[in-house]
Amino acid sequence: EVQLVESGGGLVQPGGSLRLSCVGSGFTFSNHWMSWVRQAPRKGLEWVANIKQDGSDKYYVDSVKGRLTISRDNAKNSLYLEMRSLRGEDTAVYYCARERDYNDTRGYFEALDFWGQGTMVTVSS
Amino acid sequence: DIQMTQSPSSLSASVGDRVTITCRASQRISSYLNWYQQKPGKAPKLLIYGASSLQSGVPSRFSGSGSGTDFTLTITSLQPEDFATYYCQQSYSTPMWTFGQGTKVEIK
Repeated sequence: EVQLVESGGGLVQPGGSLRLSCVGSGFTFSNHWMSWVRQAPRKGLEWVANIKQDGSDKYYVDSVKGRLTISRDNAKNSLYLEMRSLRGEDTAVYYCARERDYNDTRGYFEALDFWGQGTMVTVSS
Repeated sequence: DIQMTQSPSSLSASVGDRVTITCRASQRISSYLNWYQQKPGKAPKLLIYGASSLQSGVPSRFSGSGSGTDFTLTITSLQPEDFATYYCQQSYSTPMWTFGQGTKVEIK
């Protein structure tokens, strides 16, 4: 059974730092791109960042560039999100999600097929 | 950046109703469109990928259609467990993706 379990969330002051972790099991972690997606309270989903299988490519939404850093350790089946210079607008539930490739008769598609349960980050004084 | 706009933002429906949710992209994205379902306090769940392919294990009352800029998620015969919020997401600009703002399906 595929599982993703996030941890590391909590209350942090504006300008502070936090490190989120996500451990995957039930699949070959190193075969998949992985993403972080967040959801502010009573708001919609926002894709935050993702990382290639070997960690060589990383992409971010503009609003977090320079402040949040995605990384992974395939030996530990783990995904990380290092968060610095946190702002109130970073308050959200942070989900890690597995990216999957689908190859069918119509072509090649990608989607987020498994998600963790989320970890809450609250930025407040 | 590709913007995704869903309509309506919310709707009320009864068990057994046919429900249609629309998602429009700000530019053509071929069939690179996914749909997710999210229930309160839970993680999103993939329903449809590639605009019309049903994810394994998803009931056949869910279907997706569309290509280019306009897409539709249809639920035939709405069930009690289908009351949730639904999100579209474009994967055209992979690896950087965007979601629609969501459509909440409520009980009438």
